[in-house]
Amino acid sequence: AQSVTQLGSHVSVSEGALVLLRCNYSSSVPPYLFWYVQYPNQGLQLLLKYTSAATLVKGINGFEAEFKKSETSFHLTKPSAHMSDAAEYFCAVTSQGGSEKLVFGKGTKLTVNP
Amino acid sequence: DTAVSQTPKYLVTQMGNDKSIKCEQNLGHDTMYWYKQDSKKFLKIMFSYNNKELIINETVPNRFSPKSPDKAHLNLHINSLELGDSAVYFCASNLQGQETQYFGPGTRLLVL
Repeated sequence: AQSVTQLGSHVSVSEGALVLLRCNYSSSVPPYLFWYVQYPNQGLQLLLKYTSAATLVKGINGFEAEFKKSETSFHLTKPSAHMSDAAEYFCAVTSQGGSEKLVFGKGTKLTVNP
Repeated sequence: DTAVSQTPKYLVTQMGNDKSIKCEQNLGHDTMYWYKQDSKKFLKIMFSYNNKELIINETVPNRFSPKSPDKAHLNLHINSLELGDSAVYFCASNLQGQETQYFGPGTRLLVL
């Protein structure tokens, strides 16, 4: 079975500050890992994904994440927060092979203060 | 062009009614999914179809019945709606063997 734990249901940062959203996973098979963003009343947009190639993954809007197998982590970072980054962020895991369900974390709501 | 579309976007209905939500994708994918996002924003898989065949069926009440008339469509019919069915329902799709799932905009269901 796979699971995802997102530490911190709410994270608040100042505009221009570092954004760090934490994600730890559990998987008995090699995982694929994802970060999705959900803006208010909208759908899910893929930010970035890890698929066993490079461990440091760059995504859209200046976000990146690093896969650390030893720590079973896939934390999301952005050097400088922008007001438009305020949203809900979901980490998700699936098994390699496709046509598998995504297992999501409970989400982290990011607030960016001016 | 919308890749994964859902209709309706909003649905308000009374307890006990029967309703359907439709999903269509124009990405040429062969696998489609339904996820439920509850009031606490928690997302969980409900069903998955590959080439019109059911491949994932999580522990979902049998009041929920998915139907896939073809690879591009996956509909969700809900009988005897209950208050607890109020949620956002997301459709997603991908190509078998590829890891990225593409999500629709969601259908916001409110049962009164």
